[in-house]
Amino acid sequence: DIVLTQSPALAVSLGQRATISCRASQSVSISRYNLMHWYQQKPGQQPKLLIYRASNLASGIPARFSGSGSGTDFTLTINPVQADDIATYYCQQSRESPPTFGGGTKLELK
Amino acid sequence: EVKLLESGGGLVQPGGSMRLSCAASGFTFTDFYMYWIRQPAGKAPEWLGFIRNKANGYTTEYNPSVKGRFTISRDNTQNMLYLQMNTLRAEDTATYYCAREDSGYWYFDFWGPGTMVTVSS
Repeated sequence: DIVLTQSPALAVSLGQRATISCRASQSVSISRYNLMHWYQQKPGQQPKLLIYRASNLASGIPARFSGSGSGTDFTLTINPVQADDIATYYCQQSRESPPTFGGGTKLELK
Repeated sequence: EVKLLESGGGLVQPGGSMRLSCAASGFTFTDFYMYWIRQPAGKAPEWLGFIRNKANGYTTEYNPSVKGRFTISRDNTQNMLYLQMNTLRAEDTATYYCAREDSGYWYFDFWGPGTMVTVSS
């Protein structure tokens, strides 16, 4: 299985930029498609799709969220961070079956 | 509005069985692949498997970690998705989510709120 590694936590101040990283154990890109996706999960809620195929904003997601990367290294950026963004963020790959998730990065206030 | 709502969770003894249900509404159910994903408390989600749409014959695929113990099915007349779980173990304790996938790229654009399953004696 492809293993996705995320830092467990990131502390950020409101109004600042947050950069959350995800590294895959092997490439998750095929041709021009980067098969990495990002979700936000708040306590007691289901995950919510934020970014699909590395850089595409899901429907209804604010433009302060953006994604980038290719191959094995991907980044989710939130700029500027708002109070409502405090949550855990997961990356997920779909390059190979089974689709796998990273361990999550908990975004905390500094 | 797309809605997914799981039910059927609860406490079950090790070695027991349980069937989870997911009621879908707000979209043409037969057009979509449907998935089950679980998440132990404080841990990452784990993909369990999926059932394809009408165009792809409603066939199923499973994570090797549960293959042979878990079975996914659907009732397209009732817009219902099911997960039959047998020979349950303590490590199956988790919140179980149903999710929809639209793109063919295996990311999940809608999730239900989940149902909790606890395997314990």
